[in-house]
Amino acid sequence: EAQVTQNPRYLITVTGKKLTVTCSQNMNHEYMSWYRQDPGLGLRQIYYSMNVEVTDKGDVPEGYKVSRKEKRNFPLILESPSPNQTSLYFCASSLSWGPQHFGDGTRLSIL
Amino acid sequence: DQQVKQNSPSLSVQEGRISILNCDYTNSMFDYFLWYKKYPAEGPTFLISISSIKDKNEDGRFTVFLNKSAKHLSLHIVPSQPGDSAVYFCAASAKRNTDKLIFGTGTRLQVFP
Repeated sequence: EAQVTQNPRYLITVTGKKLTVTCSQNMNHEYMSWYRQDPGLGLRQIYYSMNVEVTDKGDVPEGYKVSRKEKRNFPLILESPSPNQTSLYFCASSLSWGPQHFGDGTRLSIL
Repeated sequence: DQQVKQNSPSLSVQEGRISILNCDYTNSMFDYFLWYKKYPAEGPTFLISISSIKDKNEDGRFTVFLNKSAKHLSLHIVPSQPGDSAVYFCAASAKRNTDKLIFGTGTRLQVFP
């Protein structure tokens, strides 16, 4: 089954404790991207990647890092999380430009 | 500043009628637009897209119209079904220059029997 898998689905953590949200797709897609969803703000793109070792900033990249060492994986790294990064995060992939397949989301709470 | 705006937070439509969701943008460099649907506790689902070289694109019950002079696009759902009840997001990109994608804040559509 074609899917985008995010882990963990839920996480409560504390300010400053590094965390990584993993994203994996099994469709051999070139494009992958990360988004956050916040009430009243809709979806906002954090980072995107057009291929292995090719990443670029989206609309709200501050406080986040990504890496794309393999085509199937695109982890989102919060080196020093802060409460304003409490949000619902989505990873997406597609064969070409324009996200088409999204994961089910990761709800992060940073205290 | 909000470059992509969905000014109606919610919309209620009777089953079988047309649903029209609107989206306005301010950046004249935007040349590619997408619509997504989102149910609670799920990731967004891609619905339909349109390039600025077109003014209409159709896929089954979904049609997107683009008015470049007014910087306005709309998604028409005909006929509306209860399963269409969800939050709808439009998104835009200046694709010729960047792959960055800007979303609107969403419109909650409720289709009632």
